[in-house]
Amino acid sequence: SYVLTQPPSVSVAPGQTARITCGGNNIGSKSVHWYQQKPGQAPVLVVYDDSDRPSGIPERFSGSNSGNTATLTISRVEAGDEADYYCQVWDSSSDPVFGGGTKLTVL
Amino acid sequence: QVQLVESGGGLVKPGGSLRLSCAASGFTFSDYYMSWIRQAPGKGLEWVSYISSSSSYTNYADSVKGRFTISRDNAKNSLYLQMNSLRAEDTAVYYCARVKFGVVSLSYYMDVWGKGTTVTVSS
Repeated sequence: SYVLTQPPSVSVAPGQTARITCGGNNIGSKSVHWYQQKPGQAPVLVVYDDSDRPSGIPERFSGSNSGNTATLTISRVEAGDEADYYCQVWDSSSDPVFGGGTKLTVL
Repeated sequence: QVQLVESGGGLVKPGGSLRLSCAASGFTFSDYYMSWIRQAPGKGLEWVSYISSSSSYTNYADSVKGRFTISRDNAKNSLYLQMNSLRAEDTAVYYCARVKFGVVSLSYYMDVWGKGTTVTVSS
């Protein structure tokens, strides 16, 4: 089955840019979706189809996908962005798959 | 507003059974695929199962295949997960989620999630 690899943790100072990666074999040929999960809460979709944002998600959240790596970028990071972030792929060629998750710490 | 509310979780002994429910509101339930996703304590998200809008197609993760059964009742706007032969490793928060299909990307994602219901398998 398809495997998605995320770094366990990323740290960033407030106001800086956080980049969370999601690695997979030729992941650039798939569409990648990203979820934010704060402690004790359900996941929330923050980016879908590589780079689209659902309504209500700040423009600070953006995504890209090429080659073997997809990236979630959070600009001007705020304390409230501290959370776990998960990437996910699901198409006709595979079952739904989540990455292992990345804990974003705002220093 | 669009809402999913899970229920039915609890403490069950190994080998026991449990049936989870998910009540949907605020959208046309019968238009959407639905899915169950779980999260073991301190762990990441794990897809469990999904069902097509008309129940004609279901799929399961290998870890639950043959033990869990997903179903839905579109007249009642409800999704279910029948869990049999439960094991300690099934202990998790179980989320139901609405599945969205990207007509351009031909990809699926979960755009609405419930708050989850906790299943604990322990003797």
